Amino acid sequence: AQTVTQSQPEMSVQEAETVTLSCTYDTSESDYYLFWYKQPPSRQMILVIRQEAYKQQNATENRFSVNFQKAAKSFSLKISDSQLGDAAMYFCAYSSRGAQKLVFGQGTRLTINP
Amino acid sequence: EAGVAQSPRYKIIEKRQSVAFWCNPISGHATLYWYQQILGQGPKLLIQFQNNGVVDDSQLPKDRFSAERLKGVDSTLKIQPAKLEDSAVYLCASSIRRSSDTEAFFGQGTRLTVV
Repeated sequence: AQTVTQSQPEMSVQEAETVTLSCTYDTSESDYYLFWYKQPPSRQMILVIRQEAYKQQNATENRFSVNFQKAAKSFSLKISDSQLGDAAMYFCAYSSRGAQKLVFGQGTRLTINP
Repeated sequence: EAGVAQSPRYKIIEKRQSVAFWCNPISGHATLYWYQQILGQGPKLLIQFQNNGVVDDSQLPKDRFSAERLKGVDSTLKIQPAKLEDSAVYLCASSIRRSSDTEAFFGQGTRLTVV
């Protein structure tokens, strides 16, 4: 079975600075997707960024980028120029290619200090 | 476009009572998911529908949980009877198709407290 581990329960960063959230996963599959979701207090999960395992190029979405290390099974999220609206719980998730069954990590609570 | 709608937002019940949650997915989305998120944890998939058929219910406690998706649109998740450990947020999500290259859109969830 696939597992996702987020070892940082909480992180904080000063507004406008850069922060990196860590995620490791375990799988025997070679073709899969990795995701970062944001969950604000409203509880709605919002997709931040997605990475396809067969693509070597790291995904980027505006201020959000990932560092995908397939051999090490590591998938970190970098947030540049942090904004107050980035404060939320962040979840790393895994899904096999064929079936979108998301397996989530435990989450990291990100605080932005003004 | 309208997002995934869920109701109620909050529910408090006593143990051994029953409760039902409702989900209206985004129009045209064939795949619907119910996730359970216990406080301090990531969501866990309970059941996945493709149109009105179940494709994965391997983590659904079938002795007390049931779900249906009539006509391949709205869905209800029921717990009967509830236990204290069922206290959680129940999230509904939908996607155009059952494939990881499509985005799953989530509702705001129902927070259930069992006392």
